[in-house]
Amino acid sequence: DTGVSQDPRHKITKRGQNVTFRCDPISEHNRLYWYRQTLGQGPEFLTYFQNEAQLEKSRLLSDRFSAERPKGSFSTLEIQRTEQGDSAMYLCASSPLGASGRETQYFGPGTRLLVL
Amino acid sequence: KQEVTQIPAALSVPEGENLVLNCSFTDSAIYNLQWFRQDPGKGLTSLLLIQSSQREQTSGRLNASLDKSSGRSTLYIAASQPGDSATYLCAVRPQAQGAQKLVFGQGTRLTINP
Repeated sequence: DTGVSQDPRHKITKRGQNVTFRCDPISEHNRLYWYRQTLGQGPEFLTYFQNEAQLEKSRLLSDRFSAERPKGSFSTLEIQRTEQGDSAMYLCASSPLGASGRETQYFGPGTRLLVL
Repeated sequence: KQEVTQIPAALSVPEGENLVLNCSFTDSAIYNLQWFRQDPGKGLTSLLLIQSSQREQTSGRLNASLDKSSGRSTLYIAASQPGDSATYLCAVRPQAQGAQKLVFGQGTRLTINP
């Protein structure tokens, strides 16, 4: 069990550029989540996949954001036309498909994005 | 809409003291409540998960309690050590139909002074 991994760990980009982040969940975890965390705040939910299906999206996920999980394995989060307000830590988590209320979400180390 | 609040925002205590971190939530319809630890610039590590039907969970020097009816949870850390310095986050999983997300508080930044 290698844990949840995210790539890259850090990304600096200029305003208006597109960026893509990758998350590899714990193997055999059916559920995958994306959260965003700004400095001094707790993480905020962005979206959730069960296998390859995107089942829940937050209002925070504007039309500049898109997430995919092809084949129900790794996931990508793309931000188009980045803005300075997108600067944050993007966290990925995964959990097994278990009985409601009993499964823990396991978090990756995050990707820190800085938009100049 | 579920909201989670953590008090205090920051806490600094000398090594060896017992301490309590507080978490409150506005909607008692939850599946569970979790406490996480986050070191600077790092991801989250789950410390304790309390099911909605449970009152408390213990792991080593950590004890978490849940009073769902009043919307409160506490994390008790016994005999604090400098290695306990981190941000502690409380999160609830709402019981809304189909909801899988966690709703987090803003965290308590804990510093243990040697």
